[in-house]
Amino acid sequence: LAKTTQPISMDSYEGQEVNITCSHNNIATNDYITWYQQFPSQGPRFIIQGYKTKVTNEVASLFIPADRKSSTLSLPRVSLSDTAVYYCLVEKSGGGADGLTFGKGTHLIIQP
Amino acid sequence: GAVVSQHPSWVICKSGTSVKIECRSLDFQATTMFWYRQFPKQSLMLMATSNEGSKATYEQGVEKDKFLINHASLTLSTLTVTSAHPEDSSFYICSAISPPGGRDTEAFFGQGTRLTVV
Repeated sequence: LAKTTQPISMDSYEGQEVNITCSHNNIATNDYITWYQQFPSQGPRFIIQGYKTKVTNEVASLFIPADRKSSTLSLPRVSLSDTAVYYCLVEKSGGGADGLTFGKGTHLIIQP
Repeated sequence: GAVVSQHPSWVICKSGTSVKIECRSLDFQATTMFWYRQFPKQSLMLMATSNEGSKATYEQGVEKDKFLINHASLTLSTLTVTSAHPEDSSFYICSAISPPGGRDTEAFFGQGTRLTVV
């Protein structure tokens, strides 16, 4: 499984755009990149998934360069409720069928 | 999206007793469910893969006799922590995938169960 590296923590302010970058140098051809959000004492929640270039949904955007060795989760105009741990995962195609390997995640703190 | 419900959300038990945690897929059938454990300020660690109608597959270092998993139906998996001890106190989370084994498969997580053994 491709190992992922992301910052342990980040902080920002309400209304700002937050970008969290994840490195996955050993990503395989069939691997997808998925981001999850976890609030304290809750299970993780799927945010976004992509394979290459850019993916956007109602919550976030995911930017993946051509070499796919990294990816950036972009959260537009964050609010206090976006304070959470964000996990970057690399999954084989067929996503999650073998269980997921979580790294340490990025603890994002949003301040007023 | 699909909903996975976990029960109870928290439980306190005495050392030496057993605790059962239920994981249900509410609006889809899950042939495969997963159980994770998360200690404070740490990441989720996969404990085992629960397969409907067959034996669970445990990750290395997880005692199968201590963490009994039963997946008797397509919508229910249970994790029983037997002879619980304080070091078993943790946050237990289940997940199910939908649709099964496809390119667009997504993992859905329960809300977790906080187990405290006193």
